[in-house]
Amino acid sequence: GDSVTQTEGQVTVSESKSLIINCTYSATSIAYPNLFWYVRYPGEGLQLLLKVITAGQKGSSRGFEATYNKETTSFHLQKASVQESDSAVYYCALSGVSSGSWQLIFGSGTQLTVMP
Amino acid sequence: EAAVTQSPRNKVAVTGGKVTLSCNQTNNHNNMYWYRQDTGHGLRLIHYSYGAGSTEKGDIPDGYKASRPSQENFSLILELATPSQTSVYFCASGTGGSGNTLYFGEGSRLIVV
Repeated sequence: GDSVTQTEGQVTVSESKSLIINCTYSATSIAYPNLFWYVRYPGEGLQLLLKVITAGQKGSSRGFEATYNKETTSFHLQKASVQESDSAVYYCALSGVSSGSWQLIFGSGTQLTVMP
Repeated sequence: EAAVTQSPRNKVAVTGGKVTLSCNQTNNHNNMYWYRQDTGHGLRLIHYSYGAGSTEKGDIPDGYKASRPSQENFSLILELATPSQTSVYFCASGTGGSGNTLYFGEGSRLIVV
């Protein structure tokens, strides 16, 4: 079936260090999946961080970037130097049409804590 | 100026009681969604709507009803709340389509005792 996997439930990084949050997907019934990263800051709702709709392309926002890799079915989120304000929950998601209906499937989320 | 607002933000309900979670959006989006989010799970779709008067079942609709009386409002109704429905609920709006972005409310935390 279609699914999104985030292997790390929690990640702790020191400020100014680099970050990778892993995301892999399976899109067996969605022909042309679009990939997203949403972020939930404390006390707020989820908001779009970045999205990529074409395989091979890279999306970027607020210093974060992710590349849609169709070969490895991955969409890892990276940042070269994190800040304390990046502490939040990050959700990877994929969307597309399956059997004539639109699907949006979320991963389980990764809680990022940035230590000062 | 939040475009998607939910109420109540926090609710404690008794088992067997009726709970209504309300959502209002000012984005003028046709589509609205209700999700629940539990530790270790991604957001799971409960019900959604394509417009006023329309409600559709999502992936986990059992035990929930939905109502879309207007473009702006979308409610989630638990007629007989159970402890397994303890969760955080998110409402979202969107334009529809494969690449569309969803706009979420801040979430409603429900505890059923």
